[in-house]
This record gives sequence, structure tokens and C-alpha cells, in this order.
Amino acid sequence: SQKIEQNSEALNIQEGKTATLTCNYTNYSPAYLQWYRQDPGRGPVFLLLIRENEKEKRKERLKVTFDTTLKQSLFHITASQPADSATYLCALDRAGGFKTIFGAGTRLFVKA
Amino acid sequence: EAEVAQSPRYKITEKSQAVAFWCDPISGHATLYWYRQILGQGPELLVQFQDESVVDDSQLPKDRFSAERLKGVDSTLKIQPAELGDSAMYLCASSPGQYGTGELFFGEGSRLTVL
Repeated sequence: SQKIEQNSEALNIQEGKTATLTCNYTNYSPAYLQWYRQDPGRGPVFLLLIRENEKEKRKERLKVTFDTTLKQSLFHITASQPADSATYLCALDRAGGFKTIFGAGTRLFVKA
Repeated sequence: EAEVAQSPRYKITEKSQAVAFWCDPISGHATLYWYRQILGQGPELLVQFQDESVVDDSQLPKDRFSAERLKGVDSTLKIQPAELGDSAMYLCASSPGQYGTGELFFGEGSRLTVL
């Protein structure tokens, strides 16, 4: 069956370091992949989208890579700040846009 | 900035009671989604609308859940009767593209507690 896996354990890092979060998927050929941020008790907020023919995308301190051979995406936050502490969700879409599927998310804690 | 509006923000109900959630998507967004998110898990798609038509409700428990988007604008999700396992955050999202290509805009969610 189709599956999206994100680090189930929380990631704890020191302020100023780079946080790297992983999203792996199986039995799936997504047209594109998205990353969302979710704060406790709030709805997810879109961060970045990367298409299957793109290797890397950047936005300010954020960088996403997409390896369709490894079936993996990496999400990086450089120069992390305590305000970056949140849960980060990976989401996959099939071609044609039907049904966006979310992973369980990885909780990130950035310590000052 | 345009937002997806949801109400109520919080709802506490007893099992076997009926409950309804309302969502008003961003104006002009053709695709509307209802997701359920259990604490510690990712959002799970319940139903997806393209305008007023349902395009995916394969994960909607149809014996107790119903959803409608009569005029292709706002939407209502109903649960009747509510069960203990329905306690979760119900998230509404919308997107501008045909069949929901790309970024989803989420509301703040409706937190349901069933006692």
C-alpha cells in the first residue's frame, strides 16, 4: 500500500544550526511534493512545493530536495531559530491533483 | 489576506449526538477539502469537492458522516451520531486550481471532543 514516512521522533537542535527533516514514500509516483508547517492547535501552513522534474527548491532559509529514484525528500532549515519550532508535514500529490496525502509530521524543537 | 473560515473553533458533545462543522473557503477557490487529524498524526482526507461535486469521498465513513457544498462555495460536514473515536481536529482547506493542483490553504480547524 502507499505509504509516507517521516521521522517519528522529535528533532532537537541548537539555534543557528541546520535542521534536516526526511520524507520517504513507497508505492507512489507523485507529480509533486509539498512541505507544510503546523503549530499546535492550528491548521497547516504551506511552505514549499517541488515538482518531480525538479531536484531542489529554495525559499529564504528553507531548502527542499526531491529524489524520485530514492523516493525521498529532504527539508532543510538553515540558521534555525526558536521560532522555527513546529511540526513539519510532508504531502504528496498524484498527477492530476486528486488527493493530497500527508505524512504524520516531524516535530522540531530549536533551543536558544 | 484572504483566509479559510471555519466554525465552530471548538465543540464538545456527547456520543450519539449530532454535530456539524462549517467552512467558507477563499473566494474563487474551486476545490474544497475536509481533513480529519487525530492528535500526533497527519491530516487524513475525508472528502474533496470540485465546485459542488464530490470527487473523492472514499475515506468518509458514510454511515455517520455527510458533507455537502450545495452552491459550490461554503461547505458543511456533519456527523450523526458522534462516537468517541471521532474526537479529532477537522480541517477544511481550499485550493484555486482545477482538481486541486498545488498549494492547499487551511483554516484553523474545528476541534471536536466526544464524551
